[in-house]
Amino acid sequence: DAGVTQSPTHLIKTRGQHVTLRCSPISGHKSVSWYQQVLGQGPQFIFQYYEKEERGRGNFPDRFSARQFPNYSSELNVNALLLGDSALYLCASRSGTSGSLGADTQYFGPGTRLTVL
Amino acid sequence: AQKVTQAQTEISVVEKEDVTLDCVYETRDTTYYLFWYKQPPSGELVFLIRRNSFDEQNEISGRYSWNFQKSTSSFNFTITASQVVDSAVYFCALSEAGYGGATNKLIFGTGTLLAVQP
Repeated sequence: DAGVTQSPTHLIKTRGQHVTLRCSPISGHKSVSWYQQVLGQGPQFIFQYYEKEERGRGNFPDRFSARQFPNYSSELNVNALLLGDSALYLCASRSGTSGSLGADTQYFGPGTRLTVL
Repeated sequence: AQKVTQAQTEISVVEKEDVTLDCVYETRDTTYYLFWYKQPPSGELVFLIRRNSFDEQNEISGRYSWNFQKSTSSFNFTITASQVVDSAVYFCALSEAGYGGATNKLIFGTGTLLAVQP
């Protein structure tokens, strides 16, 4: 079975530009979360979607937005890019079928490495 | 507030040595979940283990073992007879229960870089 897939693998943008990152969850998984990992740090939570609804948002500015589609894939959009947005963006999927969402294991994709010049 | 602390930034061992990675967590929740992930140089986070707060049994999987102690809020990870392929960054993470629609975001520590020398 295919794992979580993300595209593109690498991306180079300049300050002020817009970027869209894409994620396809594991087949049958209904929930997708996005994380930002700056070099040398642990991943930081950005968004969580479950059944196409936003279930949580981390401490990120409004320049960050996301959505989940009927097929459970997801997009992360970042507007007005800043140098500090350079990071590895990780997508994680979980089944969402446990009674407790926290009990679900999140499985991560390979990430998109974004460089802002 | 929830927090995960991995005090060891880098550990270097020689192949076949045993190594323990420390993880200390903080949470006010009575139900929570603890995780370990491995991040090789390729960048993908690989799931290793999940532990429920109500199950303090230690677990062993091959050369890997985990020691969960609620009394000290610790969830330590031991690799026995380390191998070069174990070289990676290891992250400990905490998640709340997520009932009632609450977010079950993962709170990660800062990671421990393990270098296994041949």
